[in-house]
Amino acid sequence: KNEVEQSPQNLTAQEGEFITINCSYSVGISALHWLQQHPGGGIVSLFMLSSGKKKHGRLIATINIQEKHSSLHITASHPRDSAVYICAVMNRDDKIIFGKGTRLHILP
Amino acid sequence: DSGVTQTPKHLITATGQRVTLRCSPRSGDLSVYWYQQSLDQGLQFLIQYYNGEERAKGNILERFSAQQFPDLHSELNLSSLELGDSALYFCASSVVASPYNEQFFGPGTRLTVL
Repeated sequence: KNEVEQSPQNLTAQEGEFITINCSYSVGISALHWLQQHPGGGIVSLFMLSSGKKKHGRLIATINIQEKHSSLHITASHPRDSAVYICAVMNRDDKIIFGKGTRLHILP
Repeated sequence: DSGVTQTPKHLITATGQRVTLRCSPRSGDLSVYWYQQSLDQGLQFLIQYYNGEERAKGNILERFSAQQFPDLHSELNLSSLELGDSALYFCASSVVASPYNEQFFGPGTRLTVL
């Protein structure tokens, strides 16, 4: 079993839909990152979380430390949100462990 | 543009060879991370340097080594290359070594080993 599991692996939705991507981890962590990888390959850091909730524009990230779970939400999704979303956790030894990613496709 | 530069963009080489990938962090960033992204393994953390010193080590093979120079640029050396080393290699930088800081990713170097 991977230390970081993401679901779903693939998600296709219509423009405007509310999107949720989940990340569960099995190790003790000091921080969790959500990354976005565009079709061209570039990676952008979206959020760093150690507790609670963060919001940036139409993106919201939450983390529940007790349940070892984080979610990334996208409100009013748009075709430009189509990308791979990757969850990464930093364990207590400062090593970074990545999930396999969720491939999101938003249809116009 | 993240401000992190990586050279070269593409590299094609043969098995058994040695290559060097270069990363220049954002101005002011002291920490550099190296990652490998392959089709079968996804993203993997290789190694982190902070202000010239190795700070954390991930799944870096013994055939690979890295260093960070006084001007804070970093190089990743890959030797005795195998077909399975073909991947995208990203570096990222952050201001400090803390895991609580945002990382800024470079555009990556695509390595193809034939």
